[in-house]
Order: sequence, then structure tokens, then C-alpha cells
Amino acid sequence: QVQLVQSGAEVKRPGASVKVSCKASGYNFNQYVLHWVRQAPGESLEWMAWINTGEGNTKLSRNFQGRITITWDTSASTAYMELNSLRSEDTAVYYCARDSIYLYWYFDVWGRGTLVTVSS
Amino acid sequence: QFVLTQPPSVSGAPGQRVTISCTGSSSNIGAGYDVHWYRQIPGTAPELLIYGNNNRPSGVPDRFSGSKSGTSASLAITGLQAEDEADYYCQSFDTSLNGQGVFGGGTKLTVL
Repeated sequence: QVQLVQSGAEVKRPGASVKVSCKASGYNFNQYVLHWVRQAPGESLEWMAWINTGEGNTKLSRNFQGRITITWDTSASTAYMELNSLRSEDTAVYYCARDSIYLYWYFDVWGRGTLVTVSS
Repeated sequence: QFVLTQPPSVSGAPGQRVTISCTGSSSNIGAGYDVHWYRQIPGTAPELLIYGNNNRPSGVPDRFSGSKSGTSASLAITGLQAEDEADYYCQSFDTSLNGQGVFGGGTKLTVL
């Protein structure tokens, strides 16, 4: 079935980097856009970035520009989100989610999330 | 502050109808961008409930419906059931900040 499988929980020190993976299965990886969304404890959802692996382009939220890097490995149907210069406010569950190739901006399949804890 | 404003909480008794509002502005909902709704059980990932203002993915019962007018949108749930207790989020696209997705602050639905 269609699913997105994310990497496991991480604990990082302030100032470090974290790289979260999202492996797609059950559909053609290059025929959909993938978004990254995060949710701090007890808070709402925050959009971070999207990637179009078929066209090879990405768009980043201004809130994360300079700190976020999105990459992918088409052969492994896997996308990666790396966030640098971590601070305590980055403690959150990070989700990848699937969108249409036409960027309708609704997400019909979500990963289960990756908890990233930033603590000294 | 969130670009899309939702009430923090709503409640209703089993069988009743509840609505959740989502108020935006001229740079998102008012500009004609679609509104989508998600349900989230705490500790799990969000689930798409309504897309394109008023469309239900397969498997979502017709007790759930969406509407949009002007700079606002609403999610209505009829025949409330205990399993509907969850957090609900609206989402749209906003042309400010170089164009990006935006979510509401979320609404906690309590079934009394």
C-alpha cells in the first residue's frame, strides 16, 4: 500500500544538525510532491518545505531558509530533510506528507513522524 | 499568531452537529485558494478529512462536510460520535512570505 516511512527519533544538542529520512513506497516517487511539516509539542502544524523530485526543484519556507536542506535519492525513493543550528524551539515531530504533482497543497498520505528533541 | 484563525475548542453531545470555523484574509482564503481540513488523534499523524473546500477522500463518511465563503471556511460534523473527538486543522496557501502553505491553530473537539 501507499506509505511514507520515516526514520527514528533523534536527540540532539543545541547547535547540532539533524537529518530525517522519508521513504516512499506503493507509488511512483517522482510523480508526486513531498512536503515537510513539523509540529512542536502541544502546538499546531508548520509547513517547512516541498520537493518535486521529478522536476528536481524545491521550495523552502522563509522561516527556515539558511538552516534547512532538502535532498533525495530517487533510486531509493527517499527524501531527506536536514535542519542545522538546532535550538530548543526546534523540538518537534517532523512529518513528510504527499501532495499532487500539480501542488494542490493538500496532503493525502503522511509519514508517522520523527520526534526530534533538542536538549543540552 | 496563526495566519488562519480557528476557535481553540468546540464541543457537542453525541448525535449533535458542530461546526469549526477557519478565518483567513485576502492573501489566502480570500484570494481564492482552496481550504483543506485534517483530523489528528493526539500522538498520531494528521489525516486528510476534506480537500478542495468540500471534497471528501474515499473512506471519510458524509457526516463531514466543508464550505468556503469570502475569507472564511467551515467544517461541519453531523451525527457526532465519540470517535470524532480529536484536533482539527484547516490549511490553505498564502501569497505572502513568498508563497507558502499555512495552517490554522487547531480546534480541539470534545464529545460530551
